[in-house]
Amino acid sequence: AQSVTQLDSQVPVFEEAPVELRCNYSSSVSVYLFWYVQYPNQGLQLLLKYLSGSTLVKGINGFEAEFNKSQTSFHLRKPSVHISDTAEYFCAVSDPQGGSEKLVFGKGTKLTVNP
Amino acid sequence: SAVISQKPSRDICQRGTSLTIQCQVDSQVTMMFWYRQQPGQSLTLIATANQGSEATYESGFVIDKFPISRPNLTFSTLTVSNMSPEDSSIYLCSVGGGSLPGNYGYTFGSGTRLTVV
Repeated sequence: AQSVTQLDSQVPVFEEAPVELRCNYSSSVSVYLFWYVQYPNQGLQLLLKYLSGSTLVKGINGFEAEFNKSQTSFHLRKPSVHISDTAEYFCAVSDPQGGSEKLVFGKGTKLTVNP
Repeated sequence: SAVISQKPSRDICQRGTSLTIQCQVDSQVTMMFWYRQQPGQSLTLIATANQGSEATYESGFVIDKFPISRPNLTFSTLTVSNMSPEDSSIYLCSVGGGSLPGNYGYTFGSGTRLTVV
């Protein structure tokens, strides 16, 4: 079964600094990968997704992620964060060969952007 | 992408009672999913609901506790039965993107924040 590891439970950064949120998944077979953001007291919003093709994926709000098959990683990056990026970020994986579209989530990384 | 309306947005319930959560989608979708997010935790899939068939439950979740209905391609309900404080969580519904690869990628409802007292 698929599993997702988000290596950092909390990441504090200063405004305008770069940030990287790390995500590793368990399987080297073909997978779909996602990053979601959850603002306080809200649902989940899709930031970006990797299905196939270019390994560098650009998403909303200036975020991007790079798929690395050999390292089974899908790290999320932003070159300059804002206070408004403070939220919980979830990495998720889906197995397109498995016949279901269900997602397996990592435990989440709480990003706190300080002034 | 699909737009999901989920209600209620929050509720406070007495233990031993049941709550039904509704999920309405603005387009027809094959698969709908129900997730639970316990306080401070990640999301865990409860079940997959396909129209016209019984829901498929994940390990640790049973139909008697979380009955699901899927009467048509745009609507589903999840009932949390005989509630206890341990059921206090956020419950979210989501829909898949369908079989077209470009559409793959879930949309989530805004969630139902349930507190059982």
